[in-house]
Amino acid sequence: AQSVTQLGSHVSVSEGALVLLRCNYSSSVPPYLFWYVQYPNQGLQLLLKYTSAATLVKGINGFEAEFKKSETSFHLTKPSAHMSDAAEYFCAVSGGNTPLVFGKGTRLSVIA
Amino acid sequence: ETGVTQSPTHLIKTRGQQVTLRCSSQSGHNTVSWYQQALGQGPQFIFQYYREEENGRGNFPPRFSGLQFPNYSSELNVNALELDDSALYLCASSLDREYGPGYTFGSGTRLTVV
Repeated sequence: AQSVTQLGSHVSVSEGALVLLRCNYSSSVPPYLFWYVQYPNQGLQLLLKYTSAATLVKGINGFEAEFKKSETSFHLTKPSAHMSDAAEYFCAVSGGNTPLVFGKGTRLSVIA
Repeated sequence: ETGVTQSPTHLIKTRGQQVTLRCSSQSGHNTVSWYQQALGQGPQFIFQYYREEENGRGNFPPRFSGLQFPNYSSELNVNALELDDSALYLCASSLDREYGPGYTFGSGTRLTVV
């Protein structure tokens, strides 16, 4: 079975500051891990995914995440926040041949 | 290649009614998965269809049912609607029963039950 915990339902950063969104997972099998972004009234857009290759994964829009097995974490970072990054972010885990299990999401606000 | 298309984008139904939501899969994909996203929550898996057969189901009651057609498009049907069924319904297409890495999500259908 898999589960995801996203730490912090709301994160607020200043424009140009570091973005750090935290995700911890639990999985009984080697996990596939994902970060999705959702803008208001829209569907899910894949930012990046980890599928057992390199542990540092680079995604779209300057985001990246590092898979740390010892910490069961997959935190999302971006060096410099833009106003357009304001959205809801979801971390998800899959066992490969099992459905995605999503966290409850973290709302990112970017302050000018 | 075309992406995943869902229709309608929004609809309002009355408690007790029935609703059908539609999903056209991405070109080349033969698998469709449906997720329910309640307000303020992450999406939850409802079921998956592969080559017109249900291939997996989450913790949803039988009044949630589905179909997949020979062209791999899919329908989600919900009978006896309840207020708690109000949510964004997302479908994702993929290839050969794949769940995560190969998903392409649609933009969703926002269902409001009053």
